Amino acid sequence: GAVVSQHPSRVICKSGTSVKIECRSLDFQATTMFWYRQFPKKSLMLMATSNEGSKATYEQGVEKDKFLINHASLTLSTLTVTSAHPEDSSFYICSARGGNSGRADTQYFGPGTRLTVL
Amino acid sequence: AQTVTQSQPEMSVQEAETVTLSCTYDTSESDYYLFWYKQPPSRQMILVIRQEAYKQQNATENRFSVNFQKAAKSFSLKISDSQLGDAAMYFCAYRSTNFGNEKLTFGTGTRLTIIP
Repeated sequence: GAVVSQHPSRVICKSGTSVKIECRSLDFQATTMFWYRQFPKKSLMLMATSNEGSKATYEQGVEKDKFLINHASLTLSTLTVTSAHPEDSSFYICSARGGNSGRADTQYFGPGTRLTVL
Repeated sequence: AQTVTQSQPEMSVQEAETVTLSCTYDTSESDYYLFWYKQPPSRQMILVIRQEAYKQQNATENRFSVNFQKAAKSFSLKISDSQLGDAAMYFCAYRSTNFGNEKLTFGTGTRLTIIP
């Protein structure tokens, strides 16, 4: 149990366009989902925490108007990178809190999305 | 604010041998969770092991075990009988038990290489 999927796994877009990344918990209900960004050979940087049915909480320095997060259901959260620019190119990872066997305090991660902005 | 320190950027171990990865953390909280995640070349973050601070017994998952020293704020990971598939980046992470503060604080990671 506790499987998280992300779609797409890779996306290439032109500068100025918007890209949507989906994060789904496949076998559990996730009341909280998290979005991270990871630069090459670096650790994960938390961008925002998303609770189902409420507004996301963004970390300091993360532009909420640029990285739109929606958590409309207990199994789906989306991250939309608006007006993407080359500096937004990165590896984006989502995680979901929850799972079977009472592991509601553990985050389970999706496989990540590699975004390349030309 | 909590911090997590992994002082070993890289480690290597001979296949079938044992290796220990270090992690220390700083917190003023008395109850919290600690995790080890591995990130292989696929970049999928995989939970390796989890420890609740109120439990004195060290967590164990098959070949993976931890040495949790609460007073020293140390949380090392021991991998026994190392296998080629263990090659990955390993991240130590801290999580508060406080409601509303569920985010993970990660260390900088240790890259583990397995020598055949």
